[in-house]
Amino acid sequence: GAVVSQHPSWVICKSGTSVKIECRSLDFQATTMFWYRQFPKQSLMLMATSNEGSKATYEQGVEKDKFLINHASLTLSTLTVTSAHPEDSSFYICSASLGGAVANEQFFGPGTRLTVL
Amino acid sequence: AQTVTQSQPEMSVQEAETVTLSCTYDTSESDYYLFWYKQPPSRQMILVIRQEAYKQQNATENRFSVNFQKAAKSFSLKISDSQLGDAAMYFCAYRSGLRKLVFGQGTRLTINP
Repeated sequence: GAVVSQHPSWVICKSGTSVKIECRSLDFQATTMFWYRQFPKQSLMLMATSNEGSKATYEQGVEKDKFLINHASLTLSTLTVTSAHPEDSSFYICSASLGGAVANEQFFGPGTRLTVL
Repeated sequence: AQTVTQSQPEMSVQEAETVTLSCTYDTSESDYYLFWYKQPPSRQMILVIRQEAYKQQNATENRFSVNFQKAAKSFSLKISDSQLGDAAMYFCAYRSGLRKLVFGQGTRLTINP
């Protein structure tokens, strides 16, 4: 199946700093990438949808100035958490969607654990 | 708005037995996809099975099968011959067209040896 990677897998940062998380589709071109947030023992909550070359679409309640998403190429999307605070500590998961006949399948990355001190 | 409900926060089953996880959803659309994802302790999301709403036949993948009741908006997952490696969080999810996945709250499945 299609492979999606995320980097880093775990990051610890100080409050007030910014953190960038990369999501890459390794063996396919992803027309759309999705960013999710998952708190402990909870479900995945979609933060935003990004299409290559255009601005991301954010879900209601997600601060677009705090969670900057860039989808500069068909294989790379980045999520930057700006001025991170302890409440931003969470597990962030990206997924990538193929176009064409399997347009409705998303392939998930392994996730990034963010801890803000 | 579409919603997905998993009413069983936790389930347990004896190894080699069969277990069924429940899922209901709400939508006004006629064309959509339903999924079951598994999230083991590694937290990697793994697609277990998917069902296209226009297909009447229930999807099957080895020991995993679904009972899709479109009129009742029900989509349960049956795991046969449960194995220790099946222990995980299971999420039911809905998606229409090219739009976002909507996840249920999840069911934590424990396999008793």
